[in-house]
Amino acid sequence: GEDVEQSLFLSVREGDSSVINCTYTDSSSTYLYWYKQEPGAGLQLLTYIFSNMDMKQDQRLTVLLNKKDKHLSLRIADTQTGDSAIYFCAEKLESSASKIIFGSGTRLSIRP
Amino acid sequence: NAGVMQNPRHLVRRRGQEARLRCSPMKGHSHVYWYRQLPEEGLKFMVYLQKENIIDESGMPKERFSAEFPKEGPSILRIQQVVRGDSAAYFCASSLRDGYGYTFGSGTRLTVV
Repeated sequence: GEDVEQSLFLSVREGDSSVINCTYTDSSSTYLYWYKQEPGAGLQLLTYIFSNMDMKQDQRLTVLLNKKDKHLSLRIADTQTGDSAIYFCAEKLESSASKIIFGSGTRLSIRP
Repeated sequence: NAGVMQNPRHLVRRRGQEARLRCSPMKGHSHVYWYRQLPEEGLKFMVYLQKENIIDESGMPKERFSAEFPKEGPSILRIQQVVRGDSAAYFCASSLRDGYGYTFGSGTRLTVV
């Protein structure tokens, strides 16, 4: 079935690393995405990874994909106050070319 | 090069009225997607359209909801006879190719009173 799960909340200290985790159920995922949503705003694509990759790094962001366990994570190094937002994990399925399945989002809060 | 434009940003309707949400895709994008975000939830797929065609409407409620993407003009999501449960943020996305490189608009926040 189509299901993407994330923990709802994460709190980290400014300057530490944040790790947001996501699990998905459909093994036919082709692309997996991380989106960021700031209050009152739309979704901003942060990064994505193709399903045949294990890792992707982009400046402060590192995406790890464990396809065997259907587990995706997003690591944000040196977390800043501007990183406060809701982070959505999403997958694009091979079986459905059009739609992207989203998780419920992880609300990241930064403490001083 | 403007992004995906949605209007209005906020829409208040009384129960029983019609809500009409507009989405202008990015320049050159011919694929449009509508998603709904209920409070404290993720985005749920509603419908995927190309110009003058509905490609996938598997996420659309069976009644009261309709969508179109005419040859000219924006895509429209129409909700007839709105109820309180329709209150949500409605996001539109567009892409150059089917399912790739989604760009989201800022959403329309519908409140039904």
